[in-house]
Amino acid sequence: EAQVTQNPRYLITVTGKKLTVTCSQNMNHEYMSWYRQDPGLGLRQIYYSMNVEVTDKGDVPEGYKVSRKEKRNFPLILESPSPNQTSLYFCASRSRDWGYQETQYFGPGTRLLVL
Amino acid sequence: GIQVEQSPPDLILQEGANSTLRCNFSDSVNNLQWFHQNPWGQLINLFYIPSGTKQNGRLSATTVATERYSLLYISSSQTTDSGVYFCAVETQGGSEKLVFGKGTKLTVNP
Repeated sequence: EAQVTQNPRYLITVTGKKLTVTCSQNMNHEYMSWYRQDPGLGLRQIYYSMNVEVTDKGDVPEGYKVSRKEKRNFPLILESPSPNQTSLYFCASRSRDWGYQETQYFGPGTRLLVL
Repeated sequence: GIQVEQSPPDLILQEGANSTLRCNFSDSVNNLQWFHQNPWGQLINLFYIPSGTKQNGRLSATTVATERYSLLYISSSQTTDSGVYFCAVETQGGSEKLVFGKGTKLTVNP
C-alpha cells in the first residue's frame, strides 16, 4: 500500500528540547516536503527536497532543519523548539513527473505542542 | 505570490443536500488539487484536476484554467462528508510548492 508515514503522531515537549519528526514514503518519490497547518493561516510549506541531498526552504523555514540522506526519508528537526512552533505538521511526497497526473500524498500529521 | 481564495468559508447542510464549493486563483497553474481534511485531521486527496472535469462517486470537480477557478460538487451529502475542503495549486514555472486556500468548512447534519 502506497503511504507516507510520520512519527510521532502526537508530541508534547518543552521549549528548547531538540526533537525530530520522522517521515518515510514507500513510493520511490523524488519530491518530499513539510507543511505546517495553523488556524486561520492554512497550510504553509516549511522545506522541500527535490531528491537525495537536495533541499530548499519553503515559506516558513525559520527554526527548522531537514535532511535527505535517503530517498525514502525526510526528517524534520527542531533544534530548539519554541511555543510558536506548536502546530499540526504534515509530510508529503510525490513523483516529479506531473505528466502522469501524479498527486501529492500526505502523511497522517503530527500534532506538536511546545510548552 | 499566487492567491487562492475559497468560498464559502463555512457551509452547513442537511444530509442529502447538494453543494458547490469554489476555488479562485490569481495566476496560471500547473497543478490543482482538492483535498478533504476529516475531523481527525487527515488530509485525503480527492482530485488532481489542473483542467477539465472529473467525477468520483458523489463528488465531481471542474477546473476552468482560462478563467482561473475550480468547482467541487458534492451530491447527496452524507455526515461523513463533514470536514474542511482545501483547494491547492502549484504555479507554472515549477516552484514545486502547493499553495493552499483557507478551506471551506462543511458540516452535514443528519
